[in-house]
Amino acid sequence: AQKITQTQPGMFVQEKEAVTLDCTYDTSDPSYGLFWYKQPSSGEMIFLIYQGSYDQQNATEGRYSLNFQKARKSANLVISASQLGDSAMYFCAMRVIPSGSARQLTFGSGTQLTVLP
Amino acid sequence: DVKVTQSSRYLVKRTGEKVFLECVQDMDHENMFWYRQDPGLGLRLIYFSYDVKMKEKGDIPEGYSVSREKKERFSLILESASTNQTSMYLCASSRGQLNSPLHFGNGTRLTVT
Repeated sequence: AQKITQTQPGMFVQEKEAVTLDCTYDTSDPSYGLFWYKQPSSGEMIFLIYQGSYDQQNATEGRYSLNFQKARKSANLVISASQLGDSAMYFCAMRVIPSGSARQLTFGSGTQLTVLP
Repeated sequence: DVKVTQSSRYLVKRTGEKVFLECVQDMDHENMFWYRQDPGLGLRLIYFSYDVKMKEKGDIPEGYSVSREKKERFSLILESASTNQTSMYLCASSRGQLNSPLHFGNGTRLTVT
């Protein structure tokens, strides 16, 4: 079974500073994908970034980067130059391919990020 | 842009009622999902479907059933609603590739009294 752990229920960061949101995962499948989503207070789930288990480089998307450490089974999200609009719940998720067809994502419990002015 | 539409944003039902939550996607995605979201628990998968008339149980299927008669539509059914099913319900769809993100609807906040 797959498991995602986010150990930080809440985080605070000063505006314009960088912040790292932790995510560890557990799977025995060699092929998997890791996703990060943002959920503002309005409730919509916004896809931020993806990292494949065989990707050689860490994924980046604008101010978001994924610090992927395969041996440690961690996939931390780094947000550079935090903005007030980054205040939201952040979810880490994982997908594996148990039978050749990519199916469901398993989500962590989330980290509530608050950016302080 | 992919659009996933959930029929209701807010719903209030009584204990024992049969409840239907509808979800429609417009991008011809093979996979569709129903999650429930509760504080401190993240998103938990109830059921998913990878093709028309195909379904698989997720982590918490008890008390729920689903229907997928057409590719674009995935319905979640609460046969006899109970107060512990009060929650936010999120529908999502995706393609079948490993790197395909889920696209979510705006959610249905269900209250069972």
